[in-house]
Amino acid sequence: AQTVTQSQPEMSVQEAETVTLSCTYDTSESDYYLFWYKQPPSRQMILVIRQEAYKQQNATENRFSVNFQKAAKSFSLKISDSQLGDAAMYFCALTQGGSEKLVFGKGTKLTVNP
Amino acid sequence: GAVVSQHPSRVICKSGTSVKIECRSLDFQATTMFWYRQFPKQSLMLMATSNEGSKATYEQGVEKDKFLINHASLTLSTLTVTSAHPEDSSFYICSARTTSSLSYEQYFGPGTRLTVT
Repeated sequence: AQTVTQSQPEMSVQEAETVTLSCTYDTSESDYYLFWYKQPPSRQMILVIRQEAYKQQNATENRFSVNFQKAAKSFSLKISDSQLGDAAMYFCALTQGGSEKLVFGKGTKLTVNP
Repeated sequence: GAVVSQHPSRVICKSGTSVKIECRSLDFQATTMFWYRQFPKQSLMLMATSNEGSKATYEQGVEKDKFLINHASLTLSTLTVTSAHPEDSSFYICSARTTSSLSYEQYFGPGTRLTVT
């Protein structure tokens, strides 16, 4: 069975600073994909970044980057130069290749302080 | 690209009535659509997976006869909550995968808030 664990229910960061959100996962498959989704107060789920397990290079999307540690089954999200608009719930998610389902963590609520 | 819409965004219905929620992929064809339920301050709970032209696959514990899912085309899936009760009040979210997606990401609709009185 696949599991995704987010151990930080809440995090806060000062505007323009950097914050890292943690995520660990478990899967028995070698072919899988990892995602970070953002859910702002509007509740619209937005894909932030994705990582293919077969890729060693960490994914980067502008101010968002991941630290993918495959052996440790860790997939943390780093947000640089935090902005007020980054305030949201962040969900880590996993899907196995060939499976259609996304398994979500419980989420981390990020607050950005001005 | 990859926009998913849901209608209605909010609905209030009386106990015992049925309500239909539509999920559309606006600019792509979706082979697979998903329906989630989200309680306040909680994560998304997958209810069912629907593939165009075939019966939906429901997660364990989800009542098939209460939550009817139809995926009639590559751009439309519907969720009908039958004989709704106050405990069915929740936020329902749909998502879709593109036929060309190689990385399995899902694109989400904006959600529907259902209130049963």
